[in-house]
Order: sequence, then C-alpha cells, then structure tokens
Amino acid sequence: QQQVKQSPQSLIVQKGGISIINCAYENTAFDYFPWYQQFPGKGPALLIAIRPDVSEKKEGRFTISFNKSAKQFSLHIMDSQPGDSATYFCAARGSGAGSYQLTFGKGTKLSVIP
Amino acid sequence: GVTQSPTHLIKTRGQQVTLRCSSQSGHNTVSWYQQALGQGPQFIFQYYREEENGRGNFPPRFSGLQFPNDSSELNVNALELDDSALYLCASSLDRYTEAFFGQGTRLTVV
Repeated sequence: QQQVKQSPQSLIVQKGGISIINCAYENTAFDYFPWYQQFPGKGPALLIAIRPDVSEKKEGRFTISFNKSAKQFSLHIMDSQPGDSATYFCAARGSGAGSYQLTFGKGTKLSVIP
Repeated sequence: GVTQSPTHLIKTRGQQVTLRCSSQSGHNTVSWYQQALGQGPQFIFQYYREEENGRGNFPPRFSGLQFPNDSSELNVNALELDDSALYLCASSLDRYTEAFFGQGTRLTVV
C-alpha cells in the first residue's frame, strides 16, 4: 500500500520557470511533511518541511503548499535553475509510538533546461 | 555530517554484509533505508539510544546495531539478488526531529 503518492514522475521546465510537484497522502496520523532533493550518487538532502498547522511555508525559491482537508501538499520551485535538476521526494511521518519512520513518495525527476 | 562506509560494495548471493554509518555528533536516533533504483527510500528500522525503536517490512536477516560513539551498522545475512540497492543511513537529534541522510552505500549482489 503506497501511503504517499507523488506526481509527476518526471518534469521538464525552462530556466526561470516554476516547477510544481504534487503529493497526496492517506494516513491522517501524518503530521510532518518534508521534501528532499537527491542528486545522482548522493543521499537525499532535506530542502524544506511543513507541519499541518500552517498552509504554506517559504524558504528562498522553495515553497510548500499544504491542504489538510484534501490531504495534499506540493512543492513549488520559483525561478528554476539548471542546478535544480535533481530527483525530488516528498515524505511524511507521524509522531505517535511506532510512527517515527519517513514514508516517501516515488520521486520526481526534474530537468531544468537553459 | 552523516558518513557511510563503504561507498560501493559487491557481494555474492548468500553472503553476509555489514554497512557502517557515523551519525552527526549528539544525534541519538539513527534510521536505515533501502532505496532501489528509481524508487523512493523504504524504511528498514530505527535505533533510538541503542535500542531498536521501529521496523519496516523487512525480514529478520536485516539487523542492526547502534553504538554509544555515534556509530551504527546494518547487517544483512543470506544476501539475495533483490537486496541490490542504495542503503541510506539517516541520523536525527531525536525521534521527532529532522533526519539528515548520508551519501549511501551502493550494494550490488551478484
């Protein structure tokens, strides 16, 4: 059972454009939603994270939008740059006993073309 | 940061392997994930203050240890071809805080 569904699987964006990646979750016990960026041959690096008490969080060019009622959240990358080309993973985690693990989406491969 | 060793490893089916991780100083929680090619990481287990704190859907031949010196290890017995993957270690200050990943160990089972 895939608890976090991520789309699209791949994305091509022009330099300077907006990249949008969407995720949907099923488990209402999730209360922490991070996004990770992964370059080939490297481990995932934490980009930005949000908790469900806020609907939006912005850090530089990266923004998370969160819709608790729809159980959806998304990552927006403004002014996308070729250096942003990587695979992006959304994840979710609960906070109750036995709920400490991150559940990841399948990833979105972003390519930003000059 | 979080460092893992070795970076690459080739083993034969049926063998045993030990992967190592050095957590960030002061982090009392370490988690291990398996990432198959083209997939998101899958949770194997978590150790909190040197005790297993949670386990994903992996068989008992996957085991681990956490030591008081910010190091930990993942052991896999009776290797199968499907065990070929990138194995990631993630450390965090506590069970509920941000997890920081190492660069991973690429295991190939032939």
